[in-house]
Amino acid sequence: DTGVSQDPRHKITKRGQNVTFRCDPISEHNRLYWYRQTLGQGPEFLTYFQNEAQLEKSRLLSDRFSAERPKGSFSTLEIQRTEQGDSAMYLCASSTNSGGADTQYFGPGTRLTVL
Amino acid sequence: AQTVTQSQPEMSVQEAETVTLSCTYDTSESDYYLFWYKQPPSRQMILVIRQEAYKQQNATENRFSVNFQKAAKSFSLKISDSQLGDAAMYFCAYRSSTSGTYKYIFGTGTRLKVLA
Repeated sequence: DTGVSQDPRHKITKRGQNVTFRCDPISEHNRLYWYRQTLGQGPEFLTYFQNEAQLEKSRLLSDRFSAERPKGSFSTLEIQRTEQGDSAMYLCASSTNSGGADTQYFGPGTRLTVL
Repeated sequence: AQTVTQSQPEMSVQEAETVTLSCTYDTSESDYYLFWYKQPPSRQMILVIRQEAYKQQNATENRFSVNFQKAAKSFSLKISDSQLGDAAMYFCAYRSSTSGTYKYIFGTGTRLKVLA
């Protein structure tokens, strides 16, 4: 069990550029989640996948955001035409239904800075 | 909609002492899960403890225990024998078990400082 990994750990970009983040979940976990965390706040839910199906999206996920999990393994989160307000930590988590609790395990996050 | 409130932005505790972090939540559901996560500086969030709402017994994990008061919608975390490594942000989180969603709803966090 190598844990949830995310790449890159840090990304600095200029306003208007596109960025893509990758998340590799724990291998046997079928659910994968994306959250956004701004300074001084708790994580806010963005979207989640069960296998390759995207089952829920938050209203926070504007049209500029898109997430995929093509083969039910790793996932990507793309932000198009970045804005300064997109600057945040993007967290990925994964879980599996063992005993009903579906406890989520988090990755280290990707910190995005939009200049 | 469910909400989670952590009213203590920051707490301090002397090493080896006990500290309690508060969390309240609002929900109309009867079945759900509650979690405490720890986020050390520049490190990933890790699960501290979990409570199922249908269980009356308070969860315990080593030095960490909760006081779950379902009627009051309160879920506090007690850390006993505090250690320097306990210094971190602590987040309380809620997950429904009946509405078909698996997302967590987090509070704003409490920063715990441990004084040597």
